Amino acid sequence: AQRVTQPEKLLSVFKGAPVELKCNYSYSGSPELFWYVQYSRQRLQLLLRHISRESIKGFTADLNKGETSFHLKKPFAQEEDSAMYYCALQGGSEKLVFGKGTKLTVNP
Amino acid sequence: EPEVTQTPSHQVTQMGQEVILRCVPISNHLYFYWYRQILGQKVEFLVSFYNNEISEKSEIFDDQFSVERPDGSNFTLKIRSTKLEDSAMYFCASSGTDRTGELFFGEGSRLTVL
Repeated sequence: AQRVTQPEKLLSVFKGAPVELKCNYSYSGSPELFWYVQYSRQRLQLLLRHISRESIKGFTADLNKGETSFHLKKPFAQEEDSAMYYCALQGGSEKLVFGKGTKLTVNP
Repeated sequence: EPEVTQTPSHQVTQMGQEVILRCVPISNHLYFYWYRQILGQKVEFLVSFYNNEISEKSEIFDDQFSVERPDGSNFTLKIRSTKLEDSAMYFCASSGTDRTGELFFGEGSRLTVL
């Protein structure tokens, strides 16, 4: 079974502080992992994917197969990072399996 | 920048009625999807559509649901006889010429079943 767990429903940090949004997955094969973001009143959009190994808006995520994790990190959070963040897994088929999401609030 | 568009943005219907949700995917995309999100819950896959047929569907996508691409641009989700538990935000998405996993989502259609 494919499953994505985001243990934090809400996460609140101050501007300039580091932020880490946790994501753990369950899948027996080699997954493709993604972070999607939904800013207020905007559509769900791709933030980054593990296969491209890039940093987007200062965010990075490393796939740790040993810990089955794909945590999203940013060293210095900005107010405009406040949004809903969804971790998603694609494993062997077209469908994306989403986590429940973490609402990040960056306070001034 | 091209976007996926969905109509209506909000629909209220009575239980047992048929509902059609419409989507216009990005024009050169080949893979089309419907997802739904019940309030407070995760975004769930319903169905994927490629080459004019369903390529994958979830257990949620039962006989009450159907999809169509009637005219080469629209992609519709029909719920034949709505139930209270069908109340949710329904998202259409499309992706490009290969199964890259990057989905481009519409803004969603909120369905309320009374």
